[in-house]
Amino acid sequence: GAVVSQHPSWVICKSGTSVKIECRSLDFQATTMFWYRQFPKQSLMLMATSNEGSKATYEQGVEKDKFLINHASLTLSTLTVTSAHPEDSSFYICSAILAGALGTQYFGPGTRLTVL
Amino acid sequence: GIQVEQSPPDLILQEGANSTLRCNFSDSVNNLQWFHQNPWGQLINLFYIPSGTKQNGRLSATTVATERYSLLYISSSQTTDSGVYFCAVDPTGNTPLVFGKGTRLSVIA
Repeated sequence: GAVVSQHPSWVICKSGTSVKIECRSLDFQATTMFWYRQFPKQSLMLMATSNEGSKATYEQGVEKDKFLINHASLTLSTLTVTSAHPEDSSFYICSAILAGALGTQYFGPGTRLTVL
Repeated sequence: GIQVEQSPPDLILQEGANSTLRCNFSDSVNNLQWFHQNPWGQLINLFYIPSGTKQNGRLSATTVATERYSLLYISSSQTTDSGVYFCAVDPTGNTPLVFGKGTRLSVIA
């Protein structure tokens, strides 16, 4: 149980376009999901906290108008990278916490974004 | 915020050898997890271990919460153990995980 999926697993786009990444909890409900970004050979850095039915909370230095997060249901959060540029190329990973529970966070397989 | 330090940063092992990876954290935690990130980037959850000792096959982990550290033991290492091992902590149990910088393990045949 406790599976988190991400779609797409990889995407290549042209500079200036927008890309949407989906994060789904497949067999549980998640009131809270987190979005992380990982550059090559570095650790995961939190971008934002996504709460179902409310606005996301962004970490310092993360542009909320560039990285749009929507958590429309208890099983789906989306991250849209708007007007992507080459420096946005990275590995984006989401995680989810089982609703009503404390403890283990479950991670998606990640989405590799390359902006040309 | 809470700080997480992992050591060593890099480790090269001969196949069959044992190793210990360490994670120090600067404040009390409600959640501590060890992950293995495979070459495709997937984070594999190894242990959820805010305290105590757990074992899973050739892997085991111990967290001494009062002294703010955790250890991951890998015994009889195999080439498939190669990758990056991350320790991550959450002070409250319902907030984002804070990751250490990881230990990059290479197991050679």
